[in-house]
Amino acid sequence: SYDLTQPPSVSVSPGQTATITCSGDKLGDKFTHWYQQKPTQSPLLIIYQDDKRPSGIPERFSGSNSGDTATLTISGTQTVDEADYFCQSWDSSAAVLFGGGTKLTVL
Amino acid sequence: QVTLKESGPVLVKPTETLTQTCTVSGVSLDNAGLGVSWIRQPPGKALEWLAHIFSNDEQSYRKSLKSRLTISRDRSRSQVVLTMTNMDPVDTATYYCAQTYSDYFDSWGQGALVTVSS
Repeated sequence: SYDLTQPPSVSVSPGQTATITCSGDKLGDKFTHWYQQKPTQSPLLIIYQDDKRPSGIPERFSGSNSGDTATLTISGTQTVDEADYFCQSWDSSAAVLFGGGTKLTVL
Repeated sequence: QVTLKESGPVLVKPTETLTQTCTVSGVSLDNAGLGVSWIRQPPGKALEWLAHIFSNDEQSYRKSLKSRLTISRDRSRSQVVLTMTNMDPVDTATYYCAQTYSDYFDSWGQGALVTVSS
């Protein structure tokens, strides 16, 4: 089992909107961050503190967090967005939590 | 530009101790608020956080592995070191170090694959 719960896979057609969820107890009370990982590459921060985009990350990536669920939304999904996506937060004992990852397929 | 680079043995025998080193360049480990975590990823699997060292040198460990892990910082060498005792084949993974000034990891190393096998 993983610290945070994500769907193992999500499929989307090019140009459509992809939604990836991350669930955890009262996750909305904490910040959630999102990473994109392509094969053979290190994870890349794409959303931090629920809804902020680092410099250089396309505007089609957005995030939200409320209740027990954080959500990563990719609008106008492109084939280059095909990757694994991981959510991350911290628990009350200063331990880092990661989701089990979601494989996004664009077809 | 901040870079982190992991180094250590590629192959470890069962029961041995792994020592992985993360060398940080482009930023001083003395910088206020800078923390470093070790995170691993078994082949084809998810990221698994192992340990974190805060800017005040306090440490935090994954509960299930705490008895096997030690994280430390050598400021003079700009390195963060992870030791993991009693290695087992299930510990085969790519080991990453990553830095944070807040609660998210904005820079990651390239990762180092460690295989545990006799």
